[in-house]
Amino acid sequence: AQKITQTQPGMFVQEKEAVTLDCTYDTSDPSYGLFWYKQPSSGEMIFLIYQGSYDQQNATEGRYSLNFQKARKSANLVISASQLGDSAMYFCAMRDRMDSSYKLIFGSGTRLLVRP
Amino acid sequence: EAQVTQNPRYLITVTGKKLTVTCSQNMNHEYMSWYRQDPGLGLRQIYYSMNVEVTDKGDVPEGYKVSRKEKRNFPLILESPSPNQTSLYFCASSLIAGGLYEQYFGPGTRLTVT
Repeated sequence: AQKITQTQPGMFVQEKEAVTLDCTYDTSDPSYGLFWYKQPSSGEMIFLIYQGSYDQQNATEGRYSLNFQKARKSANLVISASQLGDSAMYFCAMRDRMDSSYKLIFGSGTRLLVRP
Repeated sequence: EAQVTQNPRYLITVTGKKLTVTCSQNMNHEYMSWYRQDPGLGLRQIYYSMNVEVTDKGDVPEGYKVSRKEKRNFPLILESPSPNQTSLYFCASSLIAGGLYEQYFGPGTRLTVT
């Protein structure tokens, strides 16, 4: 069955430092997409970054990069140069074609707090 | 600006009073979906639509209805709301129905049913 696991319920990081949020996934479909979303305290769900299962290179979007290790089934999010505005919940998610609804499967999230 | 909009953003209502949460996207996306987010249960899919006039149940469809008469709109209808439908609701859309593209979320609707 498809599953996303985020083992860090909460994390602290000092402003301007880098932080890695862990995510492991499980699927038997060779074709899948991995996503990270940010949910600030205001509640909206903001798309950050996408990695396709066949992509050779790790995805990057500004200060966000995805450390994709396919053999280990991990898709960790790296945020460089943390800012106070990065304090939020972060969700790892996956879509594959085994689920005909094409819904996103979400992990339980990691709450990140950036300290000044 | 490319976006998914939802209205209302906040709603407090009483048990049994029919309500509709609207969702609209301006990105010409085929796929649209409704999720609800509850503490400890995460995000769960309620209904989804692969295209106009094509809708199907997600994981938690009981008590909800949807329609997709136009590509851009995907309203969520609660015919007789109950307190267990108090939740944060998200509408989302994605480019192509059968693809693995990212889903873009609306701002959310916080619904309280008393």
